Amino acid sequence: KQEVTQIPAALSVPEGENLVLNCSFTDSAIYNLQWFRQDPGKGLTSLLLIQSSQREQTSGRLNASLDKSSGRSTLYIAASQPGDSATYLCAVCPSGTYKYIFGTGTRLKVLA
Amino acid sequence: GAGVSQSPSNKVTEKGKDVELRCDPISGHTALYWYRQSLGQGLEFLIYFQGNSAPDKSGLPSDRFSAERTGGSVSTLTIQRTQQEDSAVYLCASSQHLSYEQYFGPGTRLTVT
Repeated sequence: KQEVTQIPAALSVPEGENLVLNCSFTDSAIYNLQWFRQDPGKGLTSLLLIQSSQREQTSGRLNASLDKSSGRSTLYIAASQPGDSATYLCAVCPSGTYKYIFGTGTRLKVLA
Repeated sequence: GAGVSQSPSNKVTEKGKDVELRCDPISGHTALYWYRQSLGQGLEFLIYFQGNSAPDKSGLPSDRFSAERTGGSVSTLTIQRTQQEDSAVYLCASSQHLSYEQYFGPGTRLTVT
């Protein structure tokens, strides 16, 4: 059974710091992995999607990597800003099904 | 263009009543997903549609839950005989095809009293 874990559960950093959020999954048989952010009381916003054949994806200050064999993905945020404060969620799409499995998220606070 | 919309945004209902939650996906998106997010919990997958077909309904928590999609567009999630444990935010997402990037709606907050 696929399980997705995100560490740390919460993170507080000063503005301008580079930071890494971690996502690990137990079964490497996946179609893809997607990173989202969720602002309080809002829906989810897609950040990056990495297909199983890819190693990384970049969008602006965000870079996501995928190491399928070790069951790990990282989301790198460069030069963090207070507007980056949100909960970050990763989700994996297991091969053979489209029943996405989400991690419990990392709650990020960037201090001005 | 318009994103995913959901209605109502908030719903308060009495225990035992039926409720219908609606999702309007992005036009042209063939895949549609329903999730539930309970207070302090992660997102729980409920069901997905490819077109009007739902190949796997095993994520639905009980037989009180059902969903349908018509015309390859609007989807309705119905909860019969609501219970207090059904209180949660119900989120809908759509994607151009299965396993493509998902776009989420703002959710419906359901409170069962």
